Amino acid sequence: KQEVTQIPAALSVPEGENLVLNCSFTDSAIYNLQWFRQDPGKGLTSLLLIQSSQREQTSGRLNASLDKSSGRSTLYIAASQPGDSATYLCAVPLSGGAGSYQLTFGKGTKLSVIP
Amino acid sequence: GAVVSQHPSWVICKSGTSVKIECRSLDFQATTMFWYRQFPKQSLMLMATSNEGSKATYEQGVEKDKFLINHASLTLSTLTVTSAHPEDSSFYICSAPLLILAGGTDTQYFGPGTRLTVL
Repeated sequence: KQEVTQIPAALSVPEGENLVLNCSFTDSAIYNLQWFRQDPGKGLTSLLLIQSSQREQTSGRLNASLDKSSGRSTLYIAASQPGDSATYLCAVPLSGGAGSYQLTFGKGTKLSVIP
Repeated sequence: GAVVSQHPSWVICKSGTSVKIECRSLDFQATTMFWYRQFPKQSLMLMATSNEGSKATYEQGVEKDKFLINHASLTLSTLTVTSAHPEDSSFYICSAPLLILAGGTDTQYFGPGTRLTVL
């Protein structure tokens, strides 16, 4: 059974700082990995999706890396802003094919960026 | 971009009553939708896969007779929590992919969630 772990559970940083969020998964035979953002009481916004054949993906100030063999992914946020405050979730599919849409999530990292 | 809506956004009900939660894809057709729930400080857990025109498939440990799913059209899936009890209080979120592609290369869109509180 796939298990996803995110460290740290919570992180507080001053505005402008660069930071790294970590995600690990137990079964390295994943099809892809996604990072999401969840704001309090709200749904999820997909930030980055990395296919199993890729090593990293970038979107603006966000960069996600994937090391399948070690079962790890990191989300790097550059020049953090108060608006980045949210919970960041890492998720991998339960299986390939159509099942790639059924996701296993970590518990998330709650990020607070202090002005 | 694609949008998925949920209604209601929050609901409070008495123990023993049934509650219906709607998930709609607003500008695309979704033959498949997924229902998740999230307990406080826990991860999102997949409950079931909703299939348009056929029966839903449930994850292990999810009671299909308690959580009724109906995917009656290409834009609407409903989750009914029957005879709700306080332990069913949770945050329920649905999602829908634009396309069902092998490998899951297309992203999926999540609804804003429904907060259910059972007294």
